[in-house]
Amino acid sequence: NAGVTQTPKFRILKIGQSMTLQCTQDMNHNYMYWYRQDPGMGLKLIYYSVGAGITDKGEVPNGYNVSRSTTEDFPLRLELAAPSQTSVYFCASSYSTDNYGYTFGSGTRLTVV
Amino acid sequence: QQQVKQSPQSLIVQKGGISIINCAYENTAFDYFPWYQQFPGKGPALLIAIRPDVSEKKEGRFTISFNKSAKQFSLHIMDSQPGDSATYFCAAGGYGQNFVFGPGTRLSVLP
Repeated sequence: NAGVTQTPKFRILKIGQSMTLQCTQDMNHNYMYWYRQDPGMGLKLIYYSVGAGITDKGEVPNGYNVSRSTTEDFPLRLELAAPSQTSVYFCASSYSTDNYGYTFGSGTRLTVV
Repeated sequence: QQQVKQSPQSLIVQKGGISIINCAYENTAFDYFPWYQQFPGKGPALLIAIRPDVSEKKEGRFTISFNKSAKQFSLHIMDSQPGDSATYFCAAGGYGQNFVFGPGTRLSVLP
């Protein structure tokens, strides 16, 4: 049982480039999330999804886009990379929003230069 | 109202000692309070969680104490071990609400 799988693990982007961070879960969870983690700042929610075809903005959505075409996949798109997007990105999923914790992926470390 | 405060930012404890991390929340609609443990290079992993209908929950060496009236909860790690050295995040959430995470506490347990 793989849980939540994120790819790539590391990436260096130049300013203005685009990329997609991949996230796949095999637990049949309806809820999926994207967080960014900056030193000393905890986890900030970028986007989330409550099911296939449904997405919504979190606390820090600017500069990002998401899609949820299947229950399993929740890719995060950076269109015009900026140095402020240098961070560690975590994808997570959960069975519901009540009484259940999140299962996190192992993260993608992104550096924008 | 969505903020979760966490202290201390960092903590150094001797092996065998007790580690205590505190969190406070403001949103009274929150009714589920998990703690996550994160090792370097890994994603956070659910450690233990509590609902406000109990004041304490214990799992092995890890205990959550919950004070509903004060809107505070804390994680106690008894007999701390070097293998417990990690960053710990508290969080708060509830039905229909996304979790809000504290900023994290970096724990170092000295051998």
